[in-house]
Amino acid sequence: DVKVTQSSRYLVKRTGEKVFLECVQDMDHENMFWYRQDPGLGLRLIYFSYDVKMKEKGDIPEGYSVSREKKERFSLILESASTNQTSMYLCASTEGVRQYFGPGTRLTVT
Amino acid sequence: RKEVEQDPGPFNVPEGATVAFNCTYSNSASQSFFWYRQDCRKEPKLLMSVYSSGNEDGRFTAQLNRASQYISLLIRDSKLSDSATYLCVVDRSGSARQLTFGSGTQLTVLP
Repeated sequence: DVKVTQSSRYLVKRTGEKVFLECVQDMDHENMFWYRQDPGLGLRLIYFSYDVKMKEKGDIPEGYSVSREKKERFSLILESASTNQTSMYLCASTEGVRQYFGPGTRLTVT
Repeated sequence: RKEVEQDPGPFNVPEGATVAFNCTYSNSASQSFFWYRQDCRKEPKLLMSVYSSGNEDGRFTAQLNRASQYISLLIRDSKLSDSATYLCVVDRSGSARQLTFGSGTQLTVLP
C-alpha cells in the first residue's frame, strides 16, 4: 500500500512564526504536491515538485515556499505565518494519474 | 467563474436510492477527469476515472461530455457507507500535475 505521511495532524502557531510542514512518501514517486483545503473553495494547489530540487508554483504560492532535498520528502514552509493561512494542508504524491494523499495537517494561526 | 463547479448539495437520500451528481468545467483543454471521494475528516481518495465512453464500477457510473464540458457520477442502490463528499477533479496537464478540484458535493445516505 502506498503510504503518504505528514508530520503533524494538528498544529497551532502564532502570527509571524516560521512553520514547517513535512511530508514523506514511501513509494519512490517522482511527483509530490502541497494543497490547502478550505470550506467552499475545495483543494487548491500551492506547489508541486516533479523531481529532487525541482519545484513549480501552483495556483496559490504566495506566502509559501517548498523544499525537496530527497525524493521521498517534500516540505512546505510558511516563512511568516498569517491568520489567513489557517487551513487544512494536504500533501500528495502521484502514481500514474492517481494522487495519493496524506492524512492532512490542520494548521491554526492565532 | 470557478474552473470546476459542482452541485453544492447536501444530498440526503434513503438507502437504496439512486443519486446523481453533476459537474461542469471551464477549461476546454482539460485532459483527464476523475471523481474522488472524501470521508469526513479524512483525505481524498480516487473513486474512478471518467472517460468519454463512460465507465462503470459496480454501482457507480461516470460519464463525460466534452462538448458540453460536463461530468456526472451516478450511484445506484445507495449504501450507508456511500455517505461522503464527492469531489469532481479535472486534470489540465494530462500528467496529474495540475489537478483542479471542485469544492465537493456532500452525500448522506439515510437508513
